[in-house]
Formats: sequence, structure tokens, C-alpha cells
Amino acid sequence: SAVISQKPSRDICQRGTSLTIQCQVDSQVTMMFWYRQQPGQSLTLIATANQGSEATYESGFVIDKFPISRPNLTFSTLTVSNMSPEDSSIYLCSASIYRGVRPGNTIYFGEGSWLTVV
Amino acid sequence: DQQVKQNSPSLSVQEGRISILNCDYTNSMFDYFLWYKKYPAEGPTFLISISSIKDKNEDGRFTVFLNKSAKHLSLHIVPSQPGDSAVYFCAASAGGAQKLVFGQGTRLTINP
Repeated sequence: SAVISQKPSRDICQRGTSLTIQCQVDSQVTMMFWYRQQPGQSLTLIATANQGSEATYESGFVIDKFPISRPNLTFSTLTVSNMSPEDSSIYLCSASIYRGVRPGNTIYFGEGSWLTVV
Repeated sequence: DQQVKQNSPSLSVQEGRISILNCDYTNSMFDYFLWYKKYPAEGPTFLISISSIKDKNEDGRFTVFLNKSAKHLSLHIVPSQPGDSAVYFCAASAGGAQKLVFGQGTRLTINP
């Protein structure tokens, strides 16, 4: 299985500040994604991180709030901007790894970044 | 619009018995399904997946069954072990897009 590293693993952030989460995959991958899990909720896709172009955001998520970078095939960052307590969540990076099973690849996740906004 | 549903928020099973976790979906375009295990404040751990061209897939103690006509899948864990206690998420994707839609999760507790 792929190793996906995220940092920070957790942080306490002041309201109104921004924090950048880094995601590193141990192999080159085509597809990388960012998810959020708010307390007591399921996982929700924020955006697809596209290498060399702008990220593709899901409904309800915008670039100004969650800017994403994907400079190469192994690395991506997610910034949570102008944070409020409602942004307190676990943010998860994931990557699609082909394992020979059609039509889909296997999606692996990082350990998560647990942000608390105070 | 909840496209993937896990209607049981919790399940309690005796150690050594079979655990059955259920998942229903509404989007007929979904063609790939995955199960994840998750502990609090950690990332999901991939367990097993199934393509829509199959109706069963096994991996050790884990078996996933897919009933396309009923838009239903289930995860069987046998025998259940105390280390299996966690929240289990069902997820689905469509057309190789690899973007996952998750269910709400089922908290499984294995009792000794």
C-alpha cells in the first residue's frame, strides 16, 4: 500500500489565520484529493488536486477559502484560509493508486490533519 | 442528497461471531465500492473493494457482497476480533473518476 504523509498532524489555530497542510506520497500518482471530516460527520470531498493546473472544487468549496497547490506528482498542499471555529475538522489527503482492479483504483488516505480553531 | 447510506450508526457483536455491515446507494452510475476502517483523529484505512462486474470479493476475514439490483452492499467480518472495533465507512465512485462519496459510517464494537 502507498504511504501518504501529512503534516501537521494536528494544530490549534487562531480565528482569522490561515494554515497550510502538506501531503507527500511515496510514489508518483495521477490523482490526489482533499477531504474534510467535521466532528461527528462523514468524509466530504473538498477538491481534486490537479498537477500543473488549478484544482477542481466540489460544490460548497471555493478556491479563495481552500487554495490548493500540486506542483508535482507526489506532493500537494491545502490551505485553510481565514479560519473560523466551523473549520475545525480533520483534513485528509488521498491518492489514487492502481492495483490492477478495473475500473477503479484503490484510494489510500493520509493520517489526517486535525485542526481546532479557537 | 445522501447517495451512499449506512443506516445503522452502531453495531455490537460478540468476539468470534460474524459482523455484517450494510450500505445502500442510490446512484446507478457508481461502479466501484470500497470499505474503510477508521479510528478517531486518524485517516481511513483501506480494507477491501469491489467492482460492479463482481458480486463478491474476499480478502482474509473480510468479504464484500454487492447486489446491484438492490443497490446494496455488505461487509462481512468473520471471525470478529476486538481489534476490529472502529468506525467503518462505505464509499463509492463512478466511471473511474476515483472521487469517493462516503456513507455516514457504522461504529462497530466487538465485545469479548
